[in-house]
Amino acid sequence: EPEVTQTPSHQVTQMGQEVILRCVPISNHLYFYWYRQILGQKVEFLVSFYNNEISEKSEIFDDQFSVERPDGSNFTLKIRSTKLEDSAMYFCASSARPDTQYFGPGTRLTVL
Amino acid sequence: EDQVTQSPEALRLQEGESSSLNCSYTVSGLRGLFWYRQDPGKGPEFLFTLYSAGEEKEKERLKATLTKKESFLHITAPKPEDSATYLCAVRGTGFQKLVFGTGTRLLVSP
Repeated sequence: EPEVTQTPSHQVTQMGQEVILRCVPISNHLYFYWYRQILGQKVEFLVSFYNNEISEKSEIFDDQFSVERPDGSNFTLKIRSTKLEDSAMYFCASSARPDTQYFGPGTRLTVL
Repeated sequence: EDQVTQSPEALRLQEGESSSLNCSYTVSGLRGLFWYRQDPGKGPEFLFTLYSAGEEKEKERLKATLTKKESFLHITAPKPEDSATYLCAVRGTGFQKLVFGTGTRLLVSP
């Protein structure tokens, strides 16, 4: 069964450094998403991406964040200058339509 | 603003003891209500999508139902492997994002 994959599984970085989180969505899906979950809190929407552009974003997704689909298979989330409060699990998701979303296993980001 | 409230926060059951989890929601035009299972340190695993009041979906020991204000996830004769956090989410008209509740942590003891 097709799955969303994410790398790395765990990323440790220093405050102020840039990080790139990578995702490979399910191959025939057209909609891509990033969510995050701070430890013990609810899953929060960051951004959705369709037809090579951002289609929706939350207040969390400020100028420090960017997304890109650099090729036909990868979808990336870049955080330009990480803060302590960016520490969280980051989940990529994809869907064939703006409907049922399938999530990846997540990247645990730790900012020191 | 779309909101999802789940109850209880935590539920402890004996193996075979059936129960229900609740998801109350407010949304501007429901385009879908979603149930996911999340194991510790893992991503949400899709279970069901419900679209309209009266709809029901079943999978093994799980059955999801939907009314205009809430959804229930019924667990029949649970087993220890059903232990997980169950998440409810909604999508409203004009949006692609899912709005999640805080989840119900289910522990099933043998």
